[in-house]
Amino acid sequence: DTAVSQTPKYLVTQMGNDKSIKCEQNLGHDTMYWYKQDSKKFLKIMFSYNNKELIINETVPNRFSPKSPDKAHLNLHINSLELGDSAVYFCASSRQSLETQYFGPGTRLLVL
Amino acid sequence: GESVGLHLPTLSVQEGDNSIINCAYSNSASDYFIWYKQESGKGPQFIIDIRSNMDKRQGQRVTVLLNKTVKHLSLQIAATQPGDSAVYFCAGPYKRALTFGSGTRLQVQP
Repeated sequence: DTAVSQTPKYLVTQMGNDKSIKCEQNLGHDTMYWYKQDSKKFLKIMFSYNNKELIINETVPNRFSPKSPDKAHLNLHINSLELGDSAVYFCASSRQSLETQYFGPGTRLLVL
Repeated sequence: GESVGLHLPTLSVQEGDNSIINCAYSNSASDYFIWYKQESGKGPQFIIDIRSNMDKRQGQRVTVLLNKTVKHLSLQIAATQPGDSAVYFCAGPYKRALTFGSGTRLQVQP
């Protein structure tokens, strides 16, 4: 069983489109995260939710809107996609914030 | 805020040798560090962590050393194997998430 799963694995789309990435964890964790990894492999925190409540919003354009329908799911919706949004997006979860985080396999987004 | 960085972008070792990957951090109040391994096309995978009340922690074939005086930590991999080839990140606390170093790519030569 995959602990943290993301769909889709690959996403190729045109500039200006709206897309969503889904994340689910079956670890029973309370905290979930979205990270962005650029082409140079830099990993940066975007958002964090604890028990469905937003606790970190790291200066991300408001075209990005996370949604947590329950504590096992954290989805990321992106409006009006731009070329610079091309990256790998990782979901992660931890039992509580400030504890070890476990990452999903990533979603490779390419905006043309 | 906290920043963590890695000393070398690439480290090449012979199979069977020991590998040492280094990382520096800026915030002396940081109390928790984690090493992650990221293989090509995969997400970061937890390897080992260490709290600031320790200066050494050992796992299976891996050891993390923490030197709080110079704000430095290292990951040692014993008897490096081809399967250890990956990018290694150190991470430290940032707000209620993690901040990652730039990563060291470990290449294991047969």
